Amino acid sequence: DAKTTQPTSMDCAEGRAANLPCNHSTISGNEYVYWYRQIHSQGPQYIIHGLKNNETNEMASLIITEDRKSSTLILPHATLRDTAVYYCIVRRTGTASKLTFGTGTRLQVTL
Amino acid sequence: ETGVTQSPTHLIKTRGQQVTLRCSSQSGHNTVSWYQQALGQGPQFIFQYYREEENGRGNFPPRFSGLQFPNYSSELNVNALELDDSALYLCASSSTSENTEAFFGQGTRLTVV
Repeated sequence: DAKTTQPTSMDCAEGRAANLPCNHSTISGNEYVYWYRQIHSQGPQYIIHGLKNNETNEMASLIITEDRKSSTLILPHATLRDTAVYYCIVRRTGTASKLTFGTGTRLQVTL
Repeated sequence: ETGVTQSPTHLIKTRGQQVTLRCSSQSGHNTVSWYQQALGQGPQFIFQYYREEENGRGNFPPRFSGLQFPNYSSELNVNALELDDSALYLCASSSTSENTEAFFGQGTRLTVV
């Protein structure tokens, strides 16, 4: 699975959009970009995933560059409950739940 | 709530002992994976089970073993516990459909003393 690079930490004011970047320059054509987050001492929570098109769900939006070498997770209106570690993961199709986690980005949402 | 439940939530064991952790998968999911998360690090893949057979393993020694049962529940067994085995152990279940997401339980916090 391709390696990802994320900033160690980011801050965001409550109510503002949080934009979390991820680099995955060695991504292959059959690899998806997944985002999970982990709130302190809980299990990781799935957020969103995509292949090459931008995706949006009730939690977030995922923007993938045209060359697929990087992506951005957008939380449109961050709240204090969005404070967590966010993991960007690249995963091959057909490998089900095998996920390779890095160290993620610690997002701190403040008042 | 993900529908994945793990037990126990916390556990303290002595070095050299054996431990069994349990996971109940989400309904309809036939694949289960186990992860170890040391303090301050991301989860590390231990192994995956599909239809009661191991079909993928991370860089963990043989003293880490598992079982998956016909109802798709699962166990993680660790023999000869070491202090470094202290961690949060996470179970994740999924279906075998491609590009599906995995759902995680809340984990079991194991402390080895």
